[in-house]
Amino acid sequence: EAGVAQSPRYKIIEKRQSVAFWCNPISGHATLYWYQQILGQGPKLLIQFQNNGVVDDSQLPKDRFSAERLKGVDSTLKIQPAKLEDSAVYLCASSSTRARTEAFFGQGTRLTVV
Amino acid sequence: AQSVTQLGSHVSVSEGALVLLRCNYSSSVPPYLFWYVQYPNQGLQLLLKYTSAATLVKGINGFEAEFKKSETSFHLTKPSAHMSDAAEYFCAVSLGSQGNLIFGKGTKLSVKP
Repeated sequence: EAGVAQSPRYKIIEKRQSVAFWCNPISGHATLYWYQQILGQGPKLLIQFQNNGVVDDSQLPKDRFSAERLKGVDSTLKIQPAKLEDSAVYLCASSSTRARTEAFFGQGTRLTVV
Repeated sequence: AQSVTQLGSHVSVSEGALVLLRCNYSSSVPPYLFWYVQYPNQGLQLLLKYTSAATLVKGINGFEAEFKKSETSFHLTKPSAHMSDAAEYFCAVSLGSQGNLIFGKGTKLSVKP
């Protein structure tokens, strides 16, 4: 079974530029998550999708971050404009629709904003 | 609100020694609890999970954890550390029925030869 795929693995941009990350979840997983992991901290949920609908985006900085999952499969997370404090690893995860099943994580995208 | 506290941001043990990583949780409903491991430049891999069945949970790579409701704890143990266990370990609690996770700050495990 293929795992969660993310790209790119690494990205360096200047502040005020825009950037986009892509995630393809495990086949058949209806739930998709984006987490932000700042160095030295645990991952923090940014947004959760169930199929193509948003379940929770309460911690997404909506003035600069956006995410979509148009066909209920892959997803894109965008930051525009980026700030220095956005430097982090962005992790995508997916899980099946059964309640409280574990989430499977991708390898993440390491973003450095300079 | 649910939360997780991991005691000790860095734990160092000798190869062959007992590994004990501490996790305490706060939850207003019966929690589902997880331990994940993260190797450098990798995503998170599930070690084990507690889902209200047996209180002693066995996971991969010889790790296990015991759910203690009276102590609100879910500590991770391994009888004998290997060099390959060096990584960062995250305890997490599941929020509600949707499965989104609240993570602790992580404990970095170092294993000395």
